[in-house]
Amino acid sequence: AQSVSQHNHHVILSEAASLELGCNYSYGGTVNLFWYVQYPGQHLQLLLKYFSGDPLVKGIKGFEAEFIKSKFSFNLRKPSVQWSDTAEYFCAVIRYGGSQGNLIFGKGTKLSVKP
Amino acid sequence: EAQVTQNPRYLITVTGKKLTVTCSQNMNHEYMSWYRQDPGLGLRQIYYSMNVEVTDKGDVPEGYKVSRKEKRNFPLILESPSPNQTSLYFCASSRRASGGRETQYFGPGTRLLVL
Repeated sequence: AQSVSQHNHHVILSEAASLELGCNYSYGGTVNLFWYVQYPGQHLQLLLKYFSGDPLVKGIKGFEAEFIKSKFSFNLRKPSVQWSDTAEYFCAVIRYGGSQGNLIFGKGTKLSVKP
Repeated sequence: EAQVTQNPRYLITVTGKKLTVTCSQNMNHEYMSWYRQDPGLGLRQIYYSMNVEVTDKGDVPEGYKVSRKEKRNFPLILESPSPNQTSLYFCASSRRASGGRETQYFGPGTRLLVL
């Protein structure tokens, strides 16, 4: 079965540190990839998405993600985090050609940024 | 404003007392979904609907029912709630697009406590 793994459950960083959150998926075919963010007490918001083309995708708030097909990975990065980036981050995958009913989420990574 | 709304936002109930959580979207989206979010488990899909009168089970459908009589509404029904259904529930919607190339928009969440 298709699955999504996020390696870090909780990441703690100081402001201005660089961030990389890992995401790996298990499906071998073409996939569409998403990163969502959930700020404390709020609903999920889309950070960025990858469908095709340039594997380096830029999203909102200075985030970017790189799709590496050979590694089945879609890691999220930010060069310099801020306290306001404290949130939970979810990677999600949908098989190309699949319906929205097949969107699979990872278990999430909680990011805490110390001021 | 384009949005997904859920009601109620917070609910405390007792075991066995039927409840309904409403979800409505104003974007004319075909797809709608329900997820539950539990610590360490991420988001798991309960049910989804590809269009009016078309619903299907997600990963954790037991104990839940849904209906899709109108395009904009997708209520989640717990006929006989149990404490293990205590969770944070999210409704989501998206346009129908080929190849799964569409973004899901999430509601604000409903926090349910079953005593």
